[in-house]
Amino acid sequence: QSALTQPPSASGSPGQSVTISCAGTSSDVGAYNYVSWYQQHPGKAPKLMIYEVSKRPSGVPDRFSGSKSGNTASLTVSGLQTEDEADYYCISYAGSNNLGVFGGGTKLTVL
Amino acid sequence: QVQLVESGGGVVQPGTSLRLSCAVSGFTFNSYAMHWVRQTPGKGLDWVAHIWHDESNRYYADSVRGRFTISRDNSKNTLYLQMNSLRAEDTAVYYCARDSVIRQVPKYGMDVWGQGTTVTVSS
Repeated sequence: QSALTQPPSASGSPGQSVTISCAGTSSDVGAYNYVSWYQQHPGKAPKLMIYEVSKRPSGVPDRFSGSKSGNTASLTVSGLQTEDEADYYCISYAGSNNLGVFGGGTKLTVL
Repeated sequence: QVQLVESGGGVVQPGTSLRLSCAVSGFTFNSYAMHWVRQTPGKGLDWVAHIWHDESNRYYADSVRGRFTISRDNSKNTLYLQMNSLRAEDTAVYYCARDSVIRQVPKYGMDVWGQGTTVTVSS
């Protein structure tokens, strides 16, 4: 049960787009379309932003989008806004024993 | 109003036990799988366990399997996490969270979260 790999940091200026990657293996990200993304502001609980690779819960701006290619999932934030500055985590269903594996998190800075 | 409220955290010594509770309101509890997720201070998220909506299955992270037990009482709209043989590395904020799918195998889209309860394991 190894953690998914995310870059520790990412940044962009207001209005720009940024993409955060989440690298897994053929046993988790590559095998299932069950990757979710969470946004967490300091001192707050995580918030679901994307589920099942690319689906957006109601209320989440369409500036947030998800995709997957092979063993790597990605979260793209378009039209960056200052309130997007937060930590972002991915998680994938990991098959056998129904395990869940989080990525290490990416701190997004809006410059 | 959909709400999850955790309780039961505290400061305990290594080797002891603690039971966390998560009181649920605002939705049909017995239709959703539930998760426990923890976060070490200043660190990332760590999935701990989940239990299916009907209690038919429960699964654990390798780091807690054999020491922690997840359970639920659908009549009381409450989720539990019994933590035994606690270690210093179990120190974290523990969140309960609802899986978004209804009466299905959990897919880790956790759409409702509690505010968290803090567990500190220290001698």
